Amino acid sequence: DAKTTQPPSMDCAEGRAANLPCNHSTISGNEYVYWYRQIHSQGPQYIIHGLKNNETNEMASLIITEDRKSSTLILPHATLRDTAVYYCIVRVAHRMEYGNKLVFGAGTILRVKS
Amino acid sequence: DAGITQSPRYKITETGRQVTLMCHQTWSHSYMFWYRQDLGHGLRLIYYSAAADITDKGEVPDGYVVSRSKTENFPLTLESATRSQTSVYFCASSGAATPYEQYFGPGTRLTVT
Repeated sequence: DAKTTQPPSMDCAEGRAANLPCNHSTISGNEYVYWYRQIHSQGPQYIIHGLKNNETNEMASLIITEDRKSSTLILPHATLRDTAVYYCIVRVAHRMEYGNKLVFGAGTILRVKS
Repeated sequence: DAGITQSPRYKITETGRQVTLMCHQTWSHSYMFWYRQDLGHGLRLIYYSAAADITDKGEVPDGYVVSRSKTENFPLTLESATRSQTSVYFCASSGAATPYEQYFGPGTRLTVT
């Protein structure tokens, strides 16, 4: 499984875009990049996932580099409620095999400040 | 309301007691999961189920039992609770085509005294 590397923490001003990077240099051709976040005392929340094209939904945008070795999650207008730990996970999207599972690493602590 | 719910939200029990945590989802998702979250260990998968009557172990299954007789329910039972099972337990579900697009419940905070 491809490993991911994220910065331990980042700060962002309220109302500005938050850009969270993730390195996954050993990603395989059939592995997707998933992003989750966990707000304090809540369950993890799925945000978005993608293979190679940029993706956007109501929560965020996902930009994946052409070589797929890194990606960036963009929260376009961060609010105080976006303060959370953000996790970048790489997985084959359509296959759940024995022992295979979501692995939540240390993630990036995003602090949105007013 | 649609979504995934867990009950109880908080539970205190004594060592040796049996306790069951409930999980219910209204999306008819094929997959359901139980995780525990502890400081210093992050989220760890206990059991998962690909469909009704199909369950499989995760990375920390010892001391836990699951069943899934109906698609929407996935109870987790601690047969004889131990202090090491004090944790926050999260249930999650996902569709068959996208098993890693998981939707989590609010969690159950379990304390074993």
